[in-house]
Amino acid sequence: QVTLKESGPALVKPTQTLTLTCTFSGFSLSTSGMRVSWIRQPPGKALEWLARIDWDDDKFYSTSLKTRLTISKDTSKSQVVLTLTNMDPVDTATYYCARDVVGALYNWFDPWGQGTLVTVSS
Amino acid sequence: DIQMTQSPSSLSASVGDRVTITCRASQRISAYLNWYQQKPGKAPKLLIYAASSLQSGVPSRFSGSGSGTDFTLTISSLQPEDFATYYCQQSYSTPQTFGQGTKVEIK
Repeated sequence: QVTLKESGPALVKPTQTLTLTCTFSGFSLSTSGMRVSWIRQPPGKALEWLARIDWDDDKFYSTSLKTRLTISKDTSKSQVVLTLTNMDPVDTATYYCARDVVGALYNWFDPWGQGTLVTVSS
Repeated sequence: DIQMTQSPSSLSASVGDRVTITCRASQRISAYLNWYQQKPGKAPKLLIYAASSLQSGVPSRFSGSGSGTDFTLTISSLQPEDFATYYCQQSYSTPQTFGQGTKVEIK
């Protein structure tokens, strides 16, 4: 059974750096084809994809946030870490990690972690 | 980035109704289109992948269709547990993008 769980601070101050950890089980990020993405959702708003890291350490970022985002993995700990610098109140959101499943031709997110709400406030 | 536009943004329907939600991509994406269901306070759940493939465990009243730029999610007979928000998502190119969501409410 594949599971993912996000962890990190619930509250950060403006200008601080947010560090979130996704701890997963049921698969290995050292296995060919495996990928993990981060997605966020501001309260009452739509989903926004943020970043992805692949088994071969390829990394991909949101166009609008790429200067502020860094994604990394620790395969031995089954963890993926996301950092977002210079936090602003508009970054208040629930942050999810999800396995990015690669099929024969197509790909999709399944499953998702439960999400962690991060509030940016002084 | 590919823009995904869903319609309607919200709808009211009764149990037993047939419900259709549409999703349009700003460029052709073949069948690289997924649908998710999200209930309040919960993470999204995969319903349909590759435009028309039903995820294991998802009731058969859910179906997806379309290719290219226009896609549809259909619920053949709405059940009480289907009241939720539905999102489409393209996986044709990175960054992967989502629609703005369609909230299905009880009439």
